[in-house]
Amino acid sequence: DIVLTQSPASLAVSLGQRATISCRASESVDSYGNSFMHWYQQKPGQPPKLLIYRASNLESGIPARFSGSGSRTDFTLTINPVEADDVATYYCQQSNEDPFTFGSGTKLEIK
Amino acid sequence: VQLQQSGAELVKPGASVKLSCKASGYTFTEYIIHWVKQRSGQGLEWIGWFYPGSGSIKYNEKFKDKATLTADKSSSTVYMELSRLTSEDSAVYFCARHGHYGNYDYWGQGTTLTVSS
Repeated sequence: DIVLTQSPASLAVSLGQRATISCRASESVDSYGNSFMHWYQQKPGQPPKLLIYRASNLESGIPARFSGSGSRTDFTLTINPVEADDVATYYCQQSNEDPFTFGSGTKLEIK
Repeated sequence: VQLQQSGAELVKPGASVKLSCKASGYTFTEYIIHWVKQRSGQGLEWIGWFYPGSGSIKYNEKFKDKATLTADKSSSTVYMELSRLTSEDSAVYFCARHGHYGNYDYWGQGTTLTVSS
């Protein structure tokens, strides 16, 4: 199985500043020129919400403060500027290989 | 698009339970439905998927003896039965629709399962 390692496990960022979350895959999640890595936001008591698909594509309705980058094994989710509503846990997920796997999550708090 | 899941369950150890996920707002047979497990305060774990269009099923090896996926096309509902329940099965279970790139584009609200005597 592809293991996704997220870092940091938690981070505290001041309002208006940048938050950067990393996701490293144990093997490449690229196929046919695309990176099958996706990012989700989960708030307590809610299901995850898709933010970014295929590494860098913003899901419809998601603010442009969220962006994704990366390829093969190294990916980044950036939130800039951070707002109070962004307090949540963020997960990466790969769909390049069965079984689909998730990272362990990064908890974002406001400093 | 909506995925409406059944309500919370309290079940005794050793028993079985059947959770449901009713889809609406799209053509039921055109999209795979996945099930995902989340234990309290922990991460997300993929259980398996069901494709209503063909009846195809795939399980995470870890859950192949635990979960059974079925569906009823007439009611646009996918079911997951969990058997021989233990405390390790206590979790929130989500159903989610398979998006075009293998992401999960819509999620149910989750069903909380508590296994306790």
